[in-house]
Amino acid sequence: DGGITQSPKYLFRKEGQNVTLSCEQNLNHDAMYWYRQDPGQGLRLIYYSQIVNDFQKGDIAEGYSVSREKKESFPLTVTSAQKNPTAFYLCASSADRVGTEAFFGQGTRLTVV
Amino acid sequence: KQEVTQIPAALSVPEGENLVLNCSFTDSAIYNLQWFRQDPGKGLTSLLLIQSSQREQTSGRLNASLDKSSGRSTLYIAASQPGDSATYLCAVYSGNTGKLIFGQGTTLQVKP
Repeated sequence: DGGITQSPKYLFRKEGQNVTLSCEQNLNHDAMYWYRQDPGQGLRLIYYSQIVNDFQKGDIAEGYSVSREKKESFPLTVTSAQKNPTAFYLCASSADRVGTEAFFGQGTRLTVV
Repeated sequence: KQEVTQIPAALSVPEGENLVLNCSFTDSAIYNLQWFRQDPGKGLTSLLLIQSSQREQTSGRLNASLDKSSGRSTLYIAASQPGDSATYLCAVYSGNTGKLIFGQGTTLQVKP
């Protein structure tokens, strides 16, 4: 089945650790996105990529990093510089950068312990 | 800067009622508007996509309209069912940046 797969579903991070969230899509989409969702704040854009080997910062990029070495993969690293990383992280993709439908994965819930 | 607002934040209705969810945006220069559904602890499911040149889209009991000039969209749900209980989010593709900007959602509860 075509879709977006995020892993793991739940992730626990100790203070000072970097962790990487996986996002893989087999929809042959060019554009991919990472969002953060906090209760009562809606979805906020962290990073997005419109093509392989290129990505742009979203509204809340500080403390996060990404790579886009392959079309189907867009991993997100939450670094120790992110002071409040506990949140629900959602990955999305669309066929191109504008005008096409966006599809989402099932999310990763990250908790700092 | 594009801002998307959804009213009301929460809504509770009895089963069978027809209802309307509202979405407004501040910059009419959008490429499209998309409605999503989110169940607790889950990802987003796309419901309807309306291109900027369209006025409405329909899927089953759902109908979404778009008035770009006034910066408004509505999602109409006919004959609501308990299974419709979820959070509904609208999002716009704004300008030429490729950013999908979200409202904060309306949490719907349909009581049997």
